[in-house]
Amino acid sequence: DAGITQSPRHKVTETGTPVTLRCHQTENHRYMYWYRQDPGHGLRLIHYSYGVKDTDKGEVSDGYSVSRSKTEDFLLTLESATSSQTSVYFCAIRTSGGPYEQYFGPGTRLTVT
Amino acid sequence: GQQVMQIPQYQHVQEGEDFTTYCNSSTTLSNIQWYKQRPGGHPVFLIQLVKSGEVKKQKRLTFQFGEAKKNSSLHITATQTTDVGTYFCAGQYYDKLIFGTGTRLQVFP
Repeated sequence: DAGITQSPRHKVTETGTPVTLRCHQTENHRYMYWYRQDPGHGLRLIHYSYGVKDTDKGEVSDGYSVSRSKTEDFLLTLESATSSQTSVYFCAIRTSGGPYEQYFGPGTRLTVT
Repeated sequence: GQQVMQIPQYQHVQEGEDFTTYCNSSTTLSNIQWYKQRPGGHPVFLIQLVKSGEVKKQKRLTFQFGEAKKNSSLHITATQTTDVGTYFCAGQYYDKLIFGTGTRLQVFP
């Protein structure tokens, strides 16, 4: 599983509260990704990082911010959670050599009430 | 933007029957990857196809990449209950993967 952990694994929060999800990897991969998974939509990219302090937006970045202050940690923050952000969030790393496959963490189930 | 469509959305088969899922991209892809997600689990990488017209096999699974590098398919021969899950294709676009919506496979014994 490429040494990827996510915390928390489950969280219930109220609308309007800030939430931070953490992704931690142990193998020094440069690329890290945050996805959300919703029924009928597959996996949609929120943000990704290509190095410390280097991040870029994905297709569904509105309402989310990210930070990467060290190689092993990639944080996803919902500044003010909304019910539409109820989802399962997956973090992934990309391998450095071909075929550049992605390995996923176990996921975080977030419910915004 | 880039889109990857996948059909069917669901497929229920009897154990022993074959299964195919199809993937189409709105743009030409440098490569395509396939992932499997078991119920309650996370996506797991299966394979990558790079060349136009490429065909790769993994036991009962056959993966194809179209000549125009805009479509792909996954075919499972003689399904087993262990094949249950959702199969995703994902097109490589620069540093990003654009995932298809997935096909959920249910296999009845």
